[in-house]
Amino acid sequence: NAGVTQTPKFQVLKTGQSMTLQCAQDMNHNSMYWYRQDPGMGLRLIYYSASEGTTDKGEVPNGYNVSRLNKREFSLRLESAAPSQTSVYFCASSEYTTRNTEAFFGQGTRLTVV
Amino acid sequence: GDSVTQMEGPVTLSEEAFLTINCTYTATGYPSLFWYVQYPGEGLQLLLKATKADDKGSNKGFEATYRKETTSFHLEKGSVQVSDSAVYFCALRNTGNQFYFGTGTSLTVIP
Repeated sequence: NAGVTQTPKFQVLKTGQSMTLQCAQDMNHNSMYWYRQDPGMGLRLIYYSASEGTTDKGEVPNGYNVSRLNKREFSLRLESAAPSQTSVYFCASSEYTTRNTEAFFGQGTRLTVV
Repeated sequence: GDSVTQMEGPVTLSEEAFLTINCTYTATGYPSLFWYVQYPGEGLQLLLKATKADDKGSNKGFEATYRKETTSFHLEKGSVQVSDSAVYFCALRNTGNQFYFGTGTSLTVIP
C-alpha cells in the first residue's frame, strides 16, 4: 500500500537554486496539501488543493508555487531557494466529502538550503 | 482564524506513568478533531479521531474526548510504555477541509 509518496527524501540546494518537490497519492483523494515542519512551530500549511484544478494559499505561501497536475499529483516548486526555506516538507491528502476522514501523510522531504 | 494550541514539551515520564497532553482549539463551525503521532524520521500517522461533541476516540490505549463546551481534546493514556516515545500533534479539520496542527509535544518514556 503506497499511500502518499514524496520524492526526493533529502535535498541540499544552494541559495538561489530552484527545485520541485513531487507528491503522488493512490487513494483517489480529492484534496491534497503541502506543509512545512519547523522546530517549535509544528506543521504550517503552505498550499492546499481542494480538488483537481484548484489551489489555494495557506499560512506561509511566499516563495512557493504549486501545481495540481491531475488528481494524483501535487507538486511544490521553490523558484529561488533561500536559507529560510530549510525545513522538512510534508505532502498529505484527504477525502473531501467525508467529514471524519483524516489526512494521510507522506514520509517527508528534508530540504537544506545553504 | 482556526488554530490549535497544545501543551508545550518536552514531556519525560517513567514507564507505566499516566499521560495527559492538553489540546484546545479555536474554530468557526464544527471541526473534526485528531491526534497524530510522529516517530523519528517518519511522517505523521493518525492515532485517533472524533467528529462530534462528546465523541471519544481511542486507539492503542490512548483516549481523547471531544469537549465542545471547553473546546478541548486532551490526549490521555493510563500506562505509557517506552515504545510510546514520539512527538504527538493535535489537529483540527475545519468545514473547508483544511487541517490545522498544534506545535507538537515530544514525549520520552524512560524504563
